[in-house]
Amino acid sequence: DTEVTQTPKHLVMGMTNKKSLKCEQHMGHRAMYWYKQKAKKPPELMFVYSYEKLSINESVPSRFSPECPNSSLLNLHLHALQPEDSALYLCASSQEGPRETQYFGPGTRLLVL
Amino acid sequence: GQQLNQSPQSMFIQEGEDVSMNCTSSSIFNTWLWYKQEPGEGPVLLIALYKAGELTSNGRLTAQFGITRKDSFLNISASIPSDVGIYFCAGRGGGSEKLVFGKGTKLTVNP
Repeated sequence: DTEVTQTPKHLVMGMTNKKSLKCEQHMGHRAMYWYKQKAKKPPELMFVYSYEKLSINESVPSRFSPECPNSSLLNLHLHALQPEDSALYLCASSQEGPRETQYFGPGTRLLVL
Repeated sequence: GQQLNQSPQSMFIQEGEDVSMNCTSSSIFNTWLWYKQEPGEGPVLLIALYKAGELTSNGRLTAQFGITRKDSFLNISASIPSDVGIYFCAGRGGGSEKLVFGKGTKLTVNP
């Protein structure tokens, strides 16, 4: 089973709203990732969690706040977003080690009004 | 930083034709991955390559890890309409945790 699940599939929010994106995997992977993807572009890395600790933050604005409650779950808390933050948000997970292969979830399509 | 050049940017082919796309890097990679993404979905892993010279097949798909470790190609044989999508290469090297992605090849298959 190489499934990563994400909820919700679609989200529309205003600039003053607070919302959260959720990601879950049950493959025993110890690394989890958040990516942002704009239309017709490759995914851009936002955050990496390794063994439930934040290991990479790609200079993401503080209006995006990641959280890893346990090794299977990854959240992305959103607050005071801008319209340019509208994008497909992808979660991925991988094993640790030199042969880690990232498996992506289906994404959350976010629209900020 | 590491960069990947993926070509071609787009391809328009007839059903049944073979397809080839490739990625080149300015630096050495230790892992090459090929993903396919359909509209509104996340990238789906097609083939993973871990060793220079490695040639791996997955059904009608074949990918190779270049011997110089700076390139990889993906071939699709006898294309069918459901092959439509954007194909991304991705690589990792130099002890980095990060994947570097190519800009994608958009494939259109005419029935």
